Amino acid sequence: EAQVTQNPRYLITVTGKKLTVTCSQNMNHEYMSWYRQDPGLGLRQIYYSMNVEVTDKGDVPEGYKVSRKEKRNFPLILESPSPNQTSLYFCASSLGAISNQPQHFGDGTRLSIL
Amino acid sequence: KQEVTQIPAALSVPEGENLVLNCSFTDSAIYNLQWFRQDPGKGLTSLLLIQSSQREQTSGRLNASLDKSSGRSTLYIAASQPGDSATYLCAVDSYGQNFVFGPGTRLSVLP
Repeated sequence: EAQVTQNPRYLITVTGKKLTVTCSQNMNHEYMSWYRQDPGLGLRQIYYSMNVEVTDKGDVPEGYKVSRKEKRNFPLILESPSPNQTSLYFCASSLGAISNQPQHFGDGTRLSIL
Repeated sequence: KQEVTQIPAALSVPEGENLVLNCSFTDSAIYNLQWFRQDPGKGLTSLLLIQSSQREQTSGRLNASLDKSSGRSTLYIAASQPGDSATYLCAVDSYGQNFVFGPGTRLSVLP
């Protein structure tokens, strides 16, 4: 089954404790992206990747890091999480940025930073 | 900077009604526009994708139109059903790299 898998689904942690949210897709997609969703602000793009070893900032990259060492994986790293990063996070993938193919989304990761 | 808005923010209709959701964007230089559905606690499901060269796309009871010059798209849902209750989001693909989402329309279809 074609899917985007995020882990963990839920996480409560404390300020400053490094964490990684994993994202994996099994569709051989080139394009992957991370979003955060906040009430009243909607979905905002954090980082995206056009292909392996190619990443770029979205609209709200501050406080986040990403890497794309393999095509299927695109982890989101919070090196020193802060309470303002409490949010619902989504990973998405598509065949390619200019492929005119729809994005597929994971089920989301709800992060709470205390 | 691209900005996307959606009207109305929320909508409640009786079952069987036809309805229209609206999406507006400020920069017409888009690659495509997508409509998504989001159920509570779930991810987004792509409903329709309209390329910048297209005027509309249809899937079952859904029809989406695009007027790039005026910066508008509409999602038409025919014969609404309670199972259509969800939040509907539009997103524009600017330059094939950066996706900007609207805030969504929360739809309730009452039996």
